[in-house]
Amino acid sequence: DTEVTQTPKHLVMGMTNKKSLKCEQHMGHRAMYWYKQKAKKPPELMFVYSYEKLSINESVPSRFSPECPNSSLLNLHLHALQPEDSALYLCASSQDGTRPNTEAFFGQGTRLTVV
Amino acid sequence: AQSVTQLGSHVSVSEGALVLLRCNYSSSVPPYLFWYVQYPNQGLQLLLKYTSAATLVKGINGFEAEFKKSETSFHLTKPSAHMSDAAEYFCAVTRGRNQGGKLIFGQGTELSVKP
Repeated sequence: DTEVTQTPKHLVMGMTNKKSLKCEQHMGHRAMYWYKQKAKKPPELMFVYSYEKLSINESVPSRFSPECPNSSLLNLHLHALQPEDSALYLCASSQDGTRPNTEAFFGQGTRLTVV
Repeated sequence: AQSVTQLGSHVSVSEGALVLLRCNYSSSVPPYLFWYVQYPNQGLQLLLKYTSAATLVKGINGFEAEFKKSETSFHLTKPSAHMSDAAEYFCAVTRGRNQGGKLIFGQGTELSVKP
């Protein structure tokens, strides 16, 4: 199983809503990532969890709150988002978060629209 | 700091023609380089990676890339384009020596394949 599964695939939410994005992998990977991709742009790193601990937060606004309940699951909690937060949110995992030749496996993404 | 530059935001080839997508890197340490492909409304799929074991790297779907240190390049090629190759292609580099999975992406090259 080399899949990273993200749910939901699409999400439309209002600016006062609270929602969560979910990501799951069963490859035994110990590092998990959230990337944000705006239309016609490359993905940009948001958060990194290594061995279930948050190791990198790329100065992401607090309206995005990551959570790693266990080594297979990664959530991104959303609250009071702005329309400019509309994007494709990609989850990824890798065997670990240190060896530089480690490739990241990406999920299909959640297309988020904030109205 | 690590970075990659993709030359050409859009490349168009005829079916059966050579595909050449250009990527140049800037790195203060030996780079670890990747090519990913993204089909419309999909996540990213790894095509191949360079890990210093060999300068010519073969990937999936008939793609290969050659690492040229003298030119700081890692161009992606495929001898004969197929319609199914139409997608967005991203070159990426790991952020640092102990930063596996944390990727910096180029701006992407959209490949169109004409019948």
